[in-house]
Amino acid sequence: EPEVTQTPSHQVTQMGQEVILRCVPISNHLYFYWYRQILGQKVEFLVSFYNNEISEKSEIFDDQFSVERPDGSNFTLKIRSTKLEDSAMYFCASTREPGPGAFFGQGTRLTVV
Amino acid sequence: AQSVSQHNHHVILSEAASLELGCNYSYGGTVNLFWYVQYPGQHLQLLLKYFSGDPLVKGIKGFEAEFIKSKFSFNLRKPSVQWSDTAEYFCAVRRAGTASKLTFGTGTRLQVTL
Repeated sequence: EPEVTQTPSHQVTQMGQEVILRCVPISNHLYFYWYRQILGQKVEFLVSFYNNEISEKSEIFDDQFSVERPDGSNFTLKIRSTKLEDSAMYFCASTREPGPGAFFGQGTRLTVV
Repeated sequence: AQSVSQHNHHVILSEAASLELGCNYSYGGTVNLFWYVQYPGQHLQLLLKYFSGDPLVKGIKGFEAEFIKSKFSFNLRKPSVQWSDTAEYFCAVRRAGTASKLTFGTGTRLQVTL
């Protein structure tokens, strides 16, 4: 069964450093998403991406965040200057069309120290 | 904006007990509704979804959910839980007919004891 894959599974970074979280969506999917889950809290939407541009973003997704689909297969989330409060599990998701629910990756646990 | 409430934060059941997890949402328009499950150390997996039609939907692993429009609810049920159902369960809502964001509830941690 095809799946969304995310790398790395765990990343530790120092405050102020840039991080790039990588995702490989399912190959024929067209809509891509990033969500995050701070420990003990709910899963929160960050951004959606379709047709090579951001289609929706939350208030969390400020200028420190950016997304890119550099080569037609990867979908990346960059955090320019990490803060302690960016520590969370980050989930990538994709879907082919509006109908089905999104397929989620296993997540990247980001720890900012 | 849509929101989702899951009132049961932590549920402990014995094997073979029946399960019902509550989910209420608020949104002014038509919605698609989802239940996701997250087993320990694993990714979110879709259990079931409701788009339209029969308000009683059946999902994987014996789970079902009933959409009650008048109550803005989409409760998850299973007649007889197993130890392997121990997981976190998330209800989510999305504007109908779109690929827009999912809005999740806070989740319910289900612990099934032997």
